[in-house]
Amino acid sequence: GQQVMQIPQYQHVQEGEDFTTYCNSSTTLSNIQWYKQRPGGHPVFLIQLVKSGEVKKQKRLTFQFGEAKKNSSLHITATQTTDVGTYFCADAGGTSYGKLTFGQGTILTVHP
Amino acid sequence: EAGVAQSPRYKIIEKRQSVAFWCNPISGHATLYWYQQILGQGPKLLIQFQNNGVVDDSQLPKDRFSAERLKGVDSTLKIQPAKLEDSAVYLCASRRSGTGELFFGEGSRLTVL
Repeated sequence: GQQVMQIPQYQHVQEGEDFTTYCNSSTTLSNIQWYKQRPGGHPVFLIQLVKSGEVKKQKRLTFQFGEAKKNSSLHITATQTTDVGTYFCADAGGTSYGKLTFGQGTILTVHP
Repeated sequence: EAGVAQSPRYKIIEKRQSVAFWCNPISGHATLYWYQQILGQGPKLLIQFQNNGVVDDSQLPKDRFSAERLKGVDSTLKIQPAKLEDSAVYLCASRRSGTGELFFGEGSRLTVL
């Protein structure tokens, strides 16, 4: 797997504000996954992106894969307190679904 | 469907002692992973098994860490002797062949004093 960098490391928002986290790689990614980890919990799979320029939505969450497949983003519209947690992107290392290499994560805090 | 089971949930030991963690993946999942997650960081892969064979153990500190999955089902991760820097949550995950999603267990939190 390749190294993926996530920004920002921390994000504090007021409930109702939007939130975006970015995942960047210096080399082309085969596919990328996103996970959410609640405080004290374990990572939970959100989505996998495979195609260049792909956009997927899950209710208030929008995931994008860059055209060059070197970056990805997760956008949350109108955050809620239930969105609190750490969001990780992970390089899935190719279609053989081998080693999954995680970024360092973005910690989201939502103030009510 | 039962999830990934891990035990113990918490373990406190002194440095130079040994510890073992157990994982039972979701039934039918051929691929099993052990990750180490230090506080404030993303999970770091220690070892990946495909059935009972090792696929990747390039980041496993082999002088002190060992792992096995003898029958291709459950797995054990051992640390001997433990160091202070081994304090972390050890996450086990499994994946069904042909799919990308990893299912994680609750983790085993290790504190080395």
